[in-house]
Amino acid sequence: GQQLNQSPQSMFIQEGEDVSMNCTSSSIFNTWLWYKQDPGEGPVLLIALYKAGELTSNGRLTAQFGITRKDSFLNISASIPSDVGIYFCAGLPWGAGGTSYGKLTFGQGTILTVHP
Amino acid sequence: NAGVTQTPKFQVLKTGQSMTLQCAQDMNHEYMSWYRQDPGMGLRLIHYSVGAGITDQGEVPNGYNVSRSTTEDFPLRLLSAAPSQTSVYFCASSPRLAGEQFFGPGTRLTVL
Repeated sequence: GQQLNQSPQSMFIQEGEDVSMNCTSSSIFNTWLWYKQDPGEGPVLLIALYKAGELTSNGRLTAQFGITRKDSFLNISASIPSDVGIYFCAGLPWGAGGTSYGKLTFGQGTILTVHP
Repeated sequence: NAGVTQTPKFQVLKTGQSMTLQCAQDMNHEYMSWYRQDPGMGLRLIHYSVGAGITDQGEVPNGYNVSRSTTEDFPLRLLSAAPSQTSVYFCASSPRLAGEQFFGPGTRLTVL
């Protein structure tokens, strides 16, 4: 099946620092999604990207859909303690409106720890 | 709207037992899916449905059955539980095939 490589696997940062993480694939995706998961909860959608080159912000979060359609990036500016959690990228492969029928593929997640 | 709800939140089974994990959504979404989450492996798709009466297999379907008799409900059945099915299970729904999916709170299942 499809594989998404998400990096880094974990990050330990100081409050106020900026954070960057990314996802890469060997296949083309036509939708990239970024989720955050708090302990004991389901993933919550942060940002959705639908066009190559698209740059979208949600407060302190900014995500980009790579030009090659094989990667995506998430940046968090001025981190705060409540940013702690696991961040997942997820992608829908090219042709999702036809044969893939919304089969989301997830990265392994980035565990973010923010020290006050 | 309650969004996506899942029951139970926790469950312990013995090997060979059967059970059904319940999932319901009140957003009138056509697309629903089940994932399992294991440490270090992200979420993997088990089964999905593009509408009432239509289901298909995902990446890891073995040992699980689903049905979709209504738009709102999408139960996941374990016919004969195995320790390898110990995991956290998430149900999700989406208003369209290529769109964002919204997740329930999860069911933590332990099979002894």
